[in-house]
Amino acid sequence: AQSVTQLGSHVSVSEGALVLLRCNYSSSVPPYLFWYVQYPNQGLQLLLKYTSAATLVKGINGFEAEFKKSETSFHLTKPSAHMSDAAEYFCAVSPVSGAGSYQLTFGKGTKLSVIP
Amino acid sequence: KAGVTQTPRYLIKTRGQQVTLSCSPISGHRSVSWYQQTPGQGLQFLFEYFSETQRNKGNFPGRFSGRQFSNSRSEMNVSTLELGDSALYLCASSVAESTDTQYFGPGTRLTVL
Repeated sequence: AQSVTQLGSHVSVSEGALVLLRCNYSSSVPPYLFWYVQYPNQGLQLLLKYTSAATLVKGINGFEAEFKKSETSFHLTKPSAHMSDAAEYFCAVSPVSGAGSYQLTFGKGTKLSVIP
Repeated sequence: KAGVTQTPRYLIKTRGQQVTLSCSPISGHRSVSWYQQTPGQGLQFLFEYFSETQRNKGNFPGRFSGRQFSNSRSEMNVSTLELGDSALYLCASSVAESTDTQYFGPGTRLTVL
């Protein structure tokens, strides 16, 4: 079974500082990987996804993530945090094929606070 | 294009009752997935429908069921509600393939008293 671990349930950064949100997956075969953001009282919005093309994936709002097979990681970064980035971020995986395809397995989420 | 819509947005029920939640996917999307979000368990997959067929099912009791109609709209039903069913229920739609982006609706907040 696949699983996702997000290190740090809460992360605080200063406005303008680097944002780094960590995600590690457990899977015998590299899965598809996704980062979603959730603002209060809203659904989830896709930031970016890795579907076995380029390992460095650029997403919306200046976010990017790098797939590292050797480290089974897919960390999310943004060079300079904005106040509007304060939200909860979820890493998710989906198997490439077979059982469990078409379903996302989510990490527990990381709440990002941005300090002015 | 209109996004994924879910109705109702908020719902209060008592234990033992049943509830039906509705989801209208983005036009042209044929896959609809349902997720439960709680503070303790996080986001958990319930089931996924494609062309009116359940293609995938998560690890939830049989009290949780769903269906999809020919226009791709979907409903999920929870029977014999328990306090632990209080959650945000999210619906997501995608075109069809596992690589497709799943677009989420705003969710239905269910409170069971």
